This record gives sequence, C-alpha cells and structure tokens, in this order.
Amino acid sequence: SAVISQKPSRDICQRGTSLTIQCQVDSQVTMMFWYRQQPGQSLTLIATANQGSEATYESGFVIDKFPISRPNLTFSTLTVSNMSPEDSSIYLCNVQQGASTEAFFGQGTRLTVV
Amino acid sequence: KQEVTQIPAALSVPEGENLVLNCSFTDSAIYNLQWFRQDPGKGLTSLLLIQSSQREQTSGRLNASLDKSSGRSTLYIAASQPGDSATYLCAASGGSYIPTFGRGTSLIVHP
Repeated sequence: SAVISQKPSRDICQRGTSLTIQCQVDSQVTMMFWYRQQPGQSLTLIATANQGSEATYESGFVIDKFPISRPNLTFSTLTVSNMSPEDSSIYLCNVQQGASTEAFFGQGTRLTVV
Repeated sequence: KQEVTQIPAALSVPEGENLVLNCSFTDSAIYNLQWFRQDPGKGLTSLLLIQSSQREQTSGRLNASLDKSSGRSTLYIAASQPGDSATYLCAASGGSYIPTFGRGTSLIVHP
C-alpha cells in the first residue's frame, strides 16, 4: 500500500487569493489524480497529474484555474487560483501503483473560501 | 460514460444489525470495483478491492460481492457497531483505470 501525506489538511482563504495543496507519496506511483468533493456530493475528477508534462484536465476544469505540477513520481501539487466561495470543497489526491490496482487517497484538504 | 449509483443514500440502524449497501454501475466492462469509507471532512480509506475476475472479497466483518453481468456490487457489514458510522462509497474502474464514484451511503449506527 501507499502512504500519502496531503497538506494542508484544512484552510480558510479570502476570495481572490490562491492556495497550493501538496501531495507526497512514500513510494513511486504510476498514476496520480486530483479530485474535488463539493458539500454533500461525490467525488469529481479534476485532472490526471502527468509526471514531467502538462496535466490532463476533465471537462469543466482548466489549467488557469487549477494548475497542477508533478515533478517526479512521488509528488504533486494542485493550486486553486483566484478563489471564490464556490471553490469551497474537499480536495483529494489519489494514487495508484498501476492499472487495475488499489486506489489510495490522501487525508483531503478542506477548503473554505470567504 | 460510466455511472455509479448507490442505494440507500442514508441508513440509520441500531447497533448489532447486519447491513447491506448496494452499488450499481452502467458499464459492465470494468477492471475492478473498490469500496471506501469516508469520515466527515476527511479523505477516503480503502476497504475492499474486487478485481473483475473475482466474485467477492472479505475483510473482518466486511464482505463485498461483485456481479459484473448485472452491474451490481454489495457491501455486507456484519454485526454493525457505532464505530462503523461513516459514508461508504463505491468506485468502478474501467478502460481509463480512473475510478468513477457513486454518491455514497451515509451510515449511522446508534448504540
């Protein structure tokens, strides 16, 4: 199994500012993803974090709003830019060692925008 | 596009009951199905992973079954305890290997 450290665990931010969330894994993983979970909702995939290249974004999510970095196979960041109250959600880092393997999640970042 | 549905959306039971949580998926061409537990405001904890070639998996008081042909999975919780109170999510992984999640079943087990 993979141990994932996600930081910060929670934050309260002013609208118009940006927050960077970090995801550190204790071993090299093939696949890393970022999800958003809005209040009372299920998880929605934001993007696939690709090592050494631009992330692959899902419909409705764009790089200018959610820039993602993945400099190596154990680390990724997600930035929520120019925040508004609608961005208040839990953001989750998800990793898999390979295709069709068990998915593991970080502890989540609970973001509140005021 | 894969869609995952979980029934019931919420469940409140007395301690000691045996429970069945249901998960259905529209595209049966999956590689695996995974069950997770989520405590309020927290991340997801993996409970059980069932590969497409398997019919069930067991861990302690938990048993998950998979019927690909009918697009269904069930999570059975035996002798429920207050500590089992959480939201339970299922996720189906298909051709892209990226899990598609249901909306979860919110479970409360009261003493």
